[in-house]
Amino acid sequence: QSVLTQPPSVSGAPGQRVTISCTGSNSNIGAGYAVHWYQQLPGTAPTLLIYGDINRPSGVPDRFSGSKSGTSASLAITGLQAEDEADYYCQSYDNSLSGLDVVFGGGTKLTVL
Amino acid sequence: QVHLKESGPGLVKPSETLSLTCDVFGSSISSGYYWGWIRQPPGKGLEWIATIYHSGSSYSNPSLKSRVTISVDAAKNHFSLKMRSVTATDTAVYYCARVVVVVDPDLYYFDYWGQGTLVTVSS
Repeated sequence: QSVLTQPPSVSGAPGQRVTISCTGSNSNIGAGYAVHWYQQLPGTAPTLLIYGDINRPSGVPDRFSGSKSGTSASLAITGLQAEDEADYYCQSYDNSLSGLDVVFGGGTKLTVL
Repeated sequence: QVHLKESGPGLVKPSETLSLTCDVFGSSISSGYYWGWIRQPPGKGLEWIATIYHSGSSYSNPSLKSRVTISVDAAKNHFSLKMRSVTATDTAVYYCARVVVVVDPDLYYFDYWGQGTLVTVSS
């Protein structure tokens, strides 16, 4: 059971827009800690997709965007392409009784139909 | 270009110690970045293990803290992970990564990852 909750899967047709949610609580996203997103293509290591809630590293297309509100964050992908088929993970801090912890969402598998 | 590469045994016996090293290329381990380990069991999600600064200051996942040691060797530009008393549930792909840590605003994320190395715990 991940501290950050993501839908197990989402899908969309080429050209469409999809969103992936990342739901946390007042000890992580709701406490103001930044959310970051990673893309993991099949059989490869994760790569940074969005950092600091909304920022794209150099080289990441502007089809990818991040947002945050309250205890949740979202990743939006517009103009869906076949090469976007991958697993996506959100990540943040969690400040609980056991201390400051780096936490990931359980991951969302994006299927391009 | 920053590049990280994990190395270590691919097979560890139950109750023994898992030892991995991450060689860093294109970035000095003594720069202003932190360095971390993350793992991914087969078919499952990501789990943060530990992070270290070149000064030796380190932080570990509370659920793994009692079994984990992370260390850094600036002279060799690499950092290492030891995990004691492993069981089959520690079977995973282990990734090393460069960690960006900013205090204000609070940012903590992994900007460069190694390719990962599969460690299987089995007798």
